[in-house]
Amino acid sequence: EADIYQTPRYLVIGTGKKITLECSQTMGHDKMYWYQQDPGMELHLIHYSYGVNSTEKGDLSSESTVSRIRTEHFPLTLESARPSHTSQYLCASSDRSTSYEQYFGPGTRLTVT
Amino acid sequence: KNQVEQSPQSLIILEGKNCTLQCNYTVSPFSNLRWYKQDTGRGPVSLTIMTFSENTKSNRRYTATLDADTKQSSLHITASQLSDSASYICVVSDRGSTLGRLYFGRGTQLTVWP
Repeated sequence: EADIYQTPRYLVIGTGKKITLECSQTMGHDKMYWYQQDPGMELHLIHYSYGVNSTEKGDLSSESTVSRIRTEHFPLTLESARPSHTSQYLCASSDRSTSYEQYFGPGTRLTVT
Repeated sequence: KNQVEQSPQSLIILEGKNCTLQCNYTVSPFSNLRWYKQDTGRGPVSLTIMTFSENTKSNRRYTATLDADTKQSSLHITASQLSDSASYICVVSDRGSTLGRLYFGRGTQLTVWP
């Protein structure tokens, strides 16, 4: 069982609200990732980080932003939530010690009304 | 275009029966192929990982095969259990970038009935 945590697990929020999805890992992994997944669809990479103070946008354009101030913490922020942001958000981490196999958190199911 | 296609999209089987899930990919260059199990409302959990030189790999009741020439993989589940009900995702990694880019299939939704 991977030591990677996401909070909240479920969030229902109104349009226009600012939200932050938390992701933490206790494995000391240098790389972390955020994916977006809609029901029955593949995971899409929206952000990744090679290490502290390193963040990059992924393949899928997203209005969210991320930060990596500490190795273990990789929060995702939406400044103004919209119904189109309704989705499942999955955080993952990897490291050279795991041959860069990605370990996933349990996900946050976000619903914007 | 790098793609990962899985079939069937969904599958229903009775408890105790075997089943085989398919994955075809066009990812190039190829580094490795993983099968993940994703329970509803949870994150994916790795079942197996295979590199170019590996043809088959087992993990308890799960056996994965890889044919790198035809770019096909299968996941065979033996003596299915109710807890096997989940989405099974095929993920292919290329070696063309330092990120180790992952390409995800849409998954096969397996339902095991008692």
